[in-house]
Amino acid sequence: KAGVTQTPRYLIKTRGQQVTLSCSPISGHRSVSWYQQTPGQGLQFLFEYFSETQRNKGNFPGRFSGRQFSNSRSEMNVSTLELGDSALYLCASSLTSPVETQYFGPGTRLLVL
Amino acid sequence: AQTVTQSQPEMSVQEAETVTLSCTYDTSESNYYLFWYKQPPSRQMILVIRQEAYKQQNATENRFSVNFQKAAKSFSLKISDSQLGDTAMYFCAFMRVTGTASKLTFGTGTRLQVTL
Repeated sequence: KAGVTQTPRYLIKTRGQQVTLSCSPISGHRSVSWYQQTPGQGLQFLFEYFSETQRNKGNFPGRFSGRQFSNSRSEMNVSTLELGDSALYLCASSLTSPVETQYFGPGTRLLVL
Repeated sequence: AQTVTQSQPEMSVQEAETVTLSCTYDTSESNYYLFWYKQPPSRQMILVIRQEAYKQQNATENRFSVNFQKAAKSFSLKISDSQLGDTAMYFCAFMRVTGTASKLTFGTGTRLQVTL
């Protein structure tokens, strides 16, 4: 069974631009969570989606948004990029809930210049 | 809010030796899960071991075992017979059980270097 895939793997943007990251969960998994990893703040929870609905949200500004499609694939969008948004963005999937084991993707490394 | 503390930023161990990574957490919840994740230089986060708070028995997975002290809110990871492939960042994580709306809260990580 294929693992969690994330695209693109690397991305360079400039301040003020917007970016969309994609995550395809393991086949059959319906819960998708997103995390931001930075050297300064560590790993922080962004949001979690299940059946196209956001069930949980972390403490991030409204510039960070996401969605989930009927096939469980998820996207996250960051608008009006700031230098501090440079990070590794990790996606994790689980069968129905993050309470179950979460499987992480390789991440998307975003650099904002 | 829950917090997870890993007080050892870096550790080193020789191959075949045993090493213990420390983790403490703070919560008022009684029902929760604890995890250890490993993030090697390739950056892919991998689940090492998982412990349900209601279980008295410490979880084990091959060379990996935990010492879960619920009253002390301590959750250490012991790696036996260390291998070069164990070199990675290790993150302790907490998840409270609130129906289906749950999230992982991570510690700051411990960088483990396994040497020859």
